[in-house]
Amino acid sequence: DTGVSQDPRHKITKRGQNVTFRCDPISEHNRLYWYRQTLGQGPEFLTYFQNEAQLEKSRLLSDRFSAERPKGSFSTLEIQRTEQGDSAMYLCASSPKGGDYGYTFGSGTRLTVV
Amino acid sequence: SQQGEEDPQALSIQEGENATMNCSYKTSINNLQWYRQNSGRGLVHLILIRSNEREKHSGRLRVTLDTSKKSSSLLITASRAADTASYFCATDRSQGGSEKLVFGKGTKLTVNP
Repeated sequence: DTGVSQDPRHKITKRGQNVTFRCDPISEHNRLYWYRQTLGQGPEFLTYFQNEAQLEKSRLLSDRFSAERPKGSFSTLEIQRTEQGDSAMYLCASSPKGGDYGYTFGSGTRLTVV
Repeated sequence: SQQGEEDPQALSIQEGENATMNCSYKTSINNLQWYRQNSGRGLVHLILIRSNEREKHSGRLRVTLDTSKKSSSLLITASRAADTASYFCATDRSQGGSEKLVFGKGTKLTVNP
């Protein structure tokens, strides 16, 4: 394992299109997080998985957003009917269960909605 | 919502000088963490300090935590041009039932060679 992988690195889409991002966490980590970051701001929490269970969702996550983590391994984040306001960096992170651990972040997927 | 607030928003220093960044937060925490982010990249975990700890060191990094004032500081000693990045504090309120990190808006540090 070389860390958390995110794909694609960049995505340009037209308004109204659907997009899907993928995150592969560190294999031993059972916790997986999605964050969104806009320019000049800190990361904002979107959702969190422990194994395959989605345990928490932010109110930022409108009904156009859906995340899955089948089999507790990789995760996908889908945005339907994209809007210009969805343009941001989408960050995935993972951490081990229990205790005090920092997160390992991926390099992010930069989404631009035109 | 943003829990931590970093101060200053931006800091510019000369190589070799020390850089101090502060973070204030509002609720009780389990631990507080500092991360670094180079432009356009993901975040890198630097250091974690638990709520029952007051000071922690890692290489050229020194972190303090004052839970009575709900504040933390990150000191980078003998700064290098490679330390140029944004630095974020993040609070873990796991004991409050919410298992996620809440990040501040960050301090943008520029170290001039």
